[in-house]
Amino acid sequence: DTEVTQTPKHLVMGMTNKKSLKCEQHMGHRAMYWYKQKAKKPPELMFVYSYEKLSINESVPSRFSPECPNSSLLNLHLHALQPEDSALYLCASSHALGLATEQFFGPGTRLTVL
Amino acid sequence: EDQVTQSPEALRLQEGESSSLNCSYTVSGLRGLFWYRQDPGKGPEFLFTLYSAGEEKEKERLKATLTKKESFLHITAPKPEDSATYLCAVQEGYGGSQGNLIFGKGTKLSVKP
Repeated sequence: DTEVTQTPKHLVMGMTNKKSLKCEQHMGHRAMYWYKQKAKKPPELMFVYSYEKLSINESVPSRFSPECPNSSLLNLHLHALQPEDSALYLCASSHALGLATEQFFGPGTRLTVL
Repeated sequence: EDQVTQSPEALRLQEGESSSLNCSYTVSGLRGLFWYRQDPGKGPEFLFTLYSAGEEKEKERLKATLTKKESFLHITAPKPEDSATYLCAVQEGYGGSQGNLIFGKGTKLSVKP
């Protein structure tokens, strides 16, 4: 099973709303990732968790707040977003950080900020 | 300077017309090179991992190869369902970004029946 699930599939929110994106994997992977992808661009790394600890934070604004409750779950809390934050948000997982192993991506959450 | 460059940006083929996509890279100590397929509005789907020059991997109509400076994704007798954006990504072995994937901008493939 190489499945990463993400909810919701679509999200529309206003600039004053608070919402959360959820990601789950049951492959026993110990590294999980959040990416942001704008139209016709490759994915951009936002955060990396390794063994449930934040390992890499690619200078993302504080209106994005990641959380890793356990080794299977990854959340992205959103607050006071801007219209330019509208994008496809992708979650991925891999066996471990630092090893040359593939990352498996979820289907993504299409976020629209009004 | 881009570390991963994919060409062409877009490729239009007729069904059955074989071709190749290119991914050239300039990174310090390649740990792995990865090919993904991405359909519009969906997450990237993993295709292949290549680790060392001379390595080849095949899956159905796709074959990926690796040299010290570039990788090719060969598509043999493509079908319309092969239409997608193909992303190449590399993982460096040195520096502070170990484990991070460095993506190219992708090649958008369209296969017409």
